[in-house]
Formats: sequence, C-alpha cells, structure tokens
Amino acid sequence: ETGVTQTPRHLVMGMTNKKSLKCEQHLGHNAMYWYKQSAKKPLELMFVYSLEERVENNSVPSRFSPECPNSSHLFLHLHTLQPEDSALYLCASSQELSGGADTQYFGPGTRLTVL
Amino acid sequence: AQKITQTQPGMFVQEKEAVTLDCTYDTSDQSYGLFWYKQPSSGEMIFLIYQGSYDEQNATEGRYSLNFQKARKSANLVISASQLGDSAMYFCAMSPDIPYNTDKLIFGTGTRLQVFP
Repeated sequence: ETGVTQTPRHLVMGMTNKKSLKCEQHLGHNAMYWYKQSAKKPLELMFVYSLEERVENNSVPSRFSPECPNSSHLFLHLHTLQPEDSALYLCASSQELSGGADTQYFGPGTRLTVL
Repeated sequence: AQKITQTQPGMFVQEKEAVTLDCTYDTSDQSYGLFWYKQPSSGEMIFLIYQGSYDEQNATEGRYSLNFQKARKSANLVISASQLGDSAMYFCAMSPDIPYNTDKLIFGTGTRLQVFP
C-alpha cells in the first residue's frame, strides 16, 4: 500500500460506544495529524504528533484520545461521543514539523456518524 | 490571527475551459506557505500545489497554477482545460512559518467546483 490509509472508512456508533479510528502512513514521515471536518466549517486541527510525541492538542474534548505507538501509526480512540461529533475525520502526515513548506498528505478519511 | 478566506461557495465551469478559484489570506508572518487541496466526493484530501511566500515565480503543476499576489494577499488557483474529473471541493490552506513549532495548516471553507460537459 502507498500513501496514507485510514480504517474504517465509515463508522456509525451510539453515544455509549467505544471505537477507534486507525491511520497508517507508508511514506516514511515523522509527523502525523488528526483533523475534523464538519459540514460548512473549515478543517479543524485536533492533534499533532512528531516522532510519536504529541506536540499539539487544540482544546479537544477528552472523549477523543489519540495514540501514536510509532511513527507509522496513529489512532483516535472514541468514547461517549455526542451527535455533534459526527464529521469526517482526516489523518495526515508530513516529513517533519518544519513549518512553511512541509506538505501534508491526507488519508481518505473516516465518515463518523454518532446516533 | 491567521485566516484563509474563500468567498466562492460554488463555481461552475464548462469542460475544457479555465477556471479561477479565489483565495485570500491574512497573516503577519513574513514567511509562510500556501497550499491548495482537492477533495472529491470520496473524502480524501489531495495535495495539488504549493507556493512559498518568498517564491518569486508563481507555482505551476500541470494544469494547475497558483496566481500569487503577495501585496494583495491572494493565492488564487487557476485550473486550465477543466475536465469532468475536476469536479470536487477545493481548499486553500496556509502554513504559518513558526520555527520549531507545529506545522499547523489553516484551511478555508472551500469552494465546490462543478464541471459540466
């Protein structure tokens, strides 16, 4: 496989469920990101990892819990979500955290629906 | 604060014609990067083109070119010879150049482009 992959592509869960989103990058990158894309809103950065260490957490509710076991894998653990958390969750990776020119490459996203 | 503005929620263009998607940005940084991404209905974000704030020439990638006007803080995407497969959402994004800090991309709200035969 090449690029950035995400599983599952679609997820429907109840508010009491616990689920995890998985992201894997095959690009040899050192930085990985979680974004949330809600309808009619700009993309929101949720978490940033560099070399498996979290470097950014943009005031994301604790019901979202990221995990980065190695530089190729990133998880987003979900529990007791709310209907307003329904969105497209995008994972991205970049070579480094260098600012400016480092292009981020995105996965296909997980379409999450919370009932 | 940094901000990206895309004022066109939707655009139509006929196949084989050129189309310009507008993007303006606001930043006090001297050094930054500007990006365009394409998002088809499948959801994935596809990187199209990058422009550095110190690049003197406009970036080009195949049928995509970026009309960079630094004084006006605009970074419009020009797609030449539109194809039906170009129908998608297009996002303009900016990365503030914050040394040794997170590589934070700021996105606009997007423009939905529809190409018709």
